Amino acid sequence: DTEVTQTPKHLVMGMTNKKSLKCEQHMGHRAMYWYKQKAKKPPELMFVYSYEKLSINESVPSRFSPECPNSSLLNLHLHALQPEDSALYLCASSQQGGRSYNEQFFGPGTRLTVL
Amino acid sequence: GEDVEQSLFLSVREGDSSVINCTYTDSSSTYLYWYKQEPGAGLQLLTYIFSNMDMKQDQRLTVLLNKKDKHLSLRIADTQTGDSAIYFCAETLSGGYNKLIFGAGTRLAVHP
Repeated sequence: DTEVTQTPKHLVMGMTNKKSLKCEQHMGHRAMYWYKQKAKKPPELMFVYSYEKLSINESVPSRFSPECPNSSLLNLHLHALQPEDSALYLCASSQQGGRSYNEQFFGPGTRLTVL
Repeated sequence: GEDVEQSLFLSVREGDSSVINCTYTDSSSTYLYWYKQEPGAGLQLLTYIFSNMDMKQDQRLTVLLNKKDKHLSLRIADTQTGDSAIYFCAETLSGGYNKLIFGAGTRLAVHP
């Protein structure tokens, strides 16, 4: 199984809602990532978890809250988002976080629209 | 600093070769990657090259790396309509975690 799955595929939420994005992989990878991709732009790293511990937070606003309940799951909790947070949110995983080569496997993304 | 640049658009005829170019600024890059993104989809790793290599070939794909000029290219031989997508080059740096720095992406359009 070389797949990263993400749910939901699409999400529309209001600025006062609380929602969560989910990501799952069963490749035994120990590093997991959240990226944000705006239209016609490259992905931008948000968070990195390595061995279920948060290792990188790219100065992401606190309205985005990541969680890694176990080595296979990664969540992104959303609260009080702004319309400019509308984007494609991509999850990725790799064997480990570190300096050596690590292919990152990407999920299909969740397309989020904030009204 | 960290910066990766690509031309934004390339149009080729089916069966021709495509060459997508990328420049990067950080000489401490360890690995350089080419990812493909089809509409509405995630990113798929096509190939990668280690910074001490000059060339890597994988079936229809050829990657050339000029470290002196910090220039990376991806050549796709016999381009097909299924190759139409956005192609991102990306680098990882020698320090810290596996953080990918992406270029802006090149949209490849293949026409009959």
